[in-house]
Amino acid sequence: GAGVSQTPSNKVTEKGKYVELRCDPISGHTALYWYRQSLGQGPEFLIYFQGTGAADDSGLPNDRFFAVRPEGSVSTLKIQRTERGDSAVYLCASSSLGGGTDTQYFGPGTRLTVL
Amino acid sequence: GQQVMQIPQYQHVQEGEDFTTYCNSSTTLSNIQWYKQRPGGHPVFLIQLVKSGEVKKQKRLTFQFGEAKKNSSLHITATQTTDVGTYFCAGVYNQGGKLIFGQGTELSVKP
Repeated sequence: GAGVSQTPSNKVTEKGKYVELRCDPISGHTALYWYRQSLGQGPEFLIYFQGTGAADDSGLPNDRFFAVRPEGSVSTLKIQRTERGDSAVYLCASSSLGGGTDTQYFGPGTRLTVL
Repeated sequence: GQQVMQIPQYQHVQEGEDFTTYCNSSTTLSNIQWYKQRPGGHPVFLIQLVKSGEVKKQKRLTFQFGEAKKNSSLHITATQTTDVGTYFCAGVYNQGGKLIFGQGTELSVKP
């Protein structure tokens, strides 16, 4: 596709439920990043994939959060036992090679609301 | 630690006035990137600064990277209503690509 796409655009769930958020990176991009953004704040890093492997998962807040990228393209962010504090916009970004000087292109985000 | 502080949080200007936002890190950065986020939108890459003391310009926007690679600024000359949005700096501390974002400066421009 022309840009990074994310589905769903909005997700409302109840406390304690399980959710999956999907990211489709720009075709051919080997690096994929997940961030989350709370209202009035800058995006907060969660995890970075280089190909199929998680190169840096230091931003995942706890073991309820997990992400996969099995074929090195689409990625899924999984959140178990959701809590109200998980409510935020979850942003995905991709870059062609990864690394500190590579431009990251962001998707439109998934707005997660936990009731 | 890896933290980027950005000020001010909000800036309200009259169209035609200048605008500046500042970012500071307590430790040396590998590089710093700037993004713009329109209301309801996602961050859009503006520019990257890599070298100590680097200055880059994009039309009315001037970006600077400090000599010690710990601070940066974005200056907009003669703001226009199209400049409205939140401007974020994002620091990179190593070659891994993880971006550490500042809190952002929300710019509003009164016509």
